[in-house]
Amino acid sequence: GENVEQHPSTLSVQEGDSAVIKCTYSDSASNYFPWYKQELGKRPQLIIDIRSNVGEKKDQRIAVTLNKTAKHFSLHITETQPEDSAVYFCAAETGSARQLTFGSGTQLTVLP
Amino acid sequence: DSGVTQTPKHLITATGQRVTLRCSPRSGDLSVYWYQQSLDQGLQFLIQYYNGEERAKGNILERFSAQQFPDLHSELNLSSLELGDSALYFCASSVTGGLDTEAFFGQGTRLTVV
Repeated sequence: GENVEQHPSTLSVQEGDSAVIKCTYSDSASNYFPWYKQELGKRPQLIIDIRSNVGEKKDQRIAVTLNKTAKHFSLHITETQPEDSAVYFCAAETGSARQLTFGSGTQLTVLP
Repeated sequence: DSGVTQTPKHLITATGQRVTLRCSPRSGDLSVYWYQQSLDQGLQFLIQYYNGEERAKGNILERFSAQQFPDLHSELNLSSLELGDSALYFCASSVTGGLDTEAFFGQGTRLTVV
C-alpha cells in the first residue's frame, strides 16, 4: 500500500522566517496531495492542496510544490507568525478507493 | 464548523468494555473515513465507507468494526477495549470517496480506557 513519509518531525523557526516541510510518497498513481493543519486538541483542517497536473500552488503565505517524477511534495510557509504553530500533516490520495494516507506530522513552533 | 458531527466528544470506559462512536457526514457527502490518533501520533487510517459499502480498510483491529447506514451516518464499534485503545478518533467525509476531493474532519471523539 501507499507509504507517506514526512520530515522533519519537529521544526522551530523564528517569527518572520520561512518553514519548509517535505513529504515523499510511494504510489505513483496518487494524484491528489492535501496538507492539513491541526491545532492542539482540534480537528485537522485543510490549508492547501495540489493535484498532479500542477507543479506549484500558492495561497498568500503558504505554497505547495509537487515533483511527480521524484514522488515528493513540500509545504512552504513564508513570513511565519506565532499562530502558524501547529502540527502539519501531508497526505496522498491513494488506493483503489482513493483514501487519504497521512504522513506522521510535523510539529511547527514559531518563536516570537 | 466542518459540517461533520461526531458524538460523543469524550468517552471514558473500562478495559474489556464496548463502545460505539457515531459520525454524521456533511450533507451530500457519500464517503466516510475513520482515523485513529494516539497521543503524539499521526493519523492512522482505519476504514472507509462509500454510500453504505466498505471501500477500504487500513490497520483496523479485528476488535473494531464499522458500518454506514442508509442515511449515511456511520458508527465505529470498539470492543474488548484495552488501555492502548485510548486515542482521539476522527471521522471525515468527502463527496465522492476520493477522486481528488477534500476530506472534512469532525471534532473527534476522545476515548479514554481506564
